[in-house]
Amino acid sequence: QKEVEQNSGPLSVPEGAIASLNCTYSDRGSQSFFWYRQYSGKSPELIMSIYSNGDKEDGRFTAQLNKASQYVSLLIRDSQPSDSATYLCAVPSGGYNKLIFGAGTRLAVHP
Amino acid sequence: DGGITQSPKYLFRKEGQNVTLSCEQNLNHDAMYWYRQDPGQGLRLIYYSQIVNDFQKGDIAEGYSVSREKKESFPLTVTSAQKNPTAFYLCASSKQNLASGNTIYFGEGSWLTVV
Repeated sequence: QKEVEQNSGPLSVPEGAIASLNCTYSDRGSQSFFWYRQYSGKSPELIMSIYSNGDKEDGRFTAQLNKASQYVSLLIRDSQPSDSATYLCAVPSGGYNKLIFGAGTRLAVHP
Repeated sequence: DGGITQSPKYLFRKEGQNVTLSCEQNLNHDAMYWYRQDPGQGLRLIYYSQIVNDFQKGDIAEGYSVSREKKESFPLTVTSAQKNPTAFYLCASSKQNLASGNTIYFGEGSWLTVV
């Protein structure tokens, strides 16, 4: 089992809809989780982090964490074409000395 | 400005040639990392370093080498032993202990192509 798993997509949503991106992880002891956005040909940029069960909101983005089920999700409300990118889920590993990434989910928001 | 600087942005390697990618950070971060990304794929960890003069292999270290002589610098050498080096290389840095709310930040990346 991979440490961090994501559906590769593409996930296609119409402009203004809610995009829901999911990620599962294998290490039950994981305490922190990160979502990065990567535009084509660019480096990843951090958009959300979450440490506690439940929801964390930041503007149009909401991260949801369920440690019992070992999944973390990212909701993007009022999706815009500019949100079209690959979204990477990341979890610390190796004694919290490195960050392991999922393969990423490609999101396409169409007008 | 504070940040992570990678150079060169584009690099072409001939068969059998070693090349070195530069990574410099002025964020006063202790930890530095090198990731590789192939088209349409996720990030795979090559090497990482928590402190000066110490580094560990990641998941795909074969054919690569690094050094960490200064806190600010973590160069990556792609050796001729790396048979398929064409990829996007990302350098990153962080404060130590990723469980304490710290996360990693990336440079702009270097594209390496074998010709």
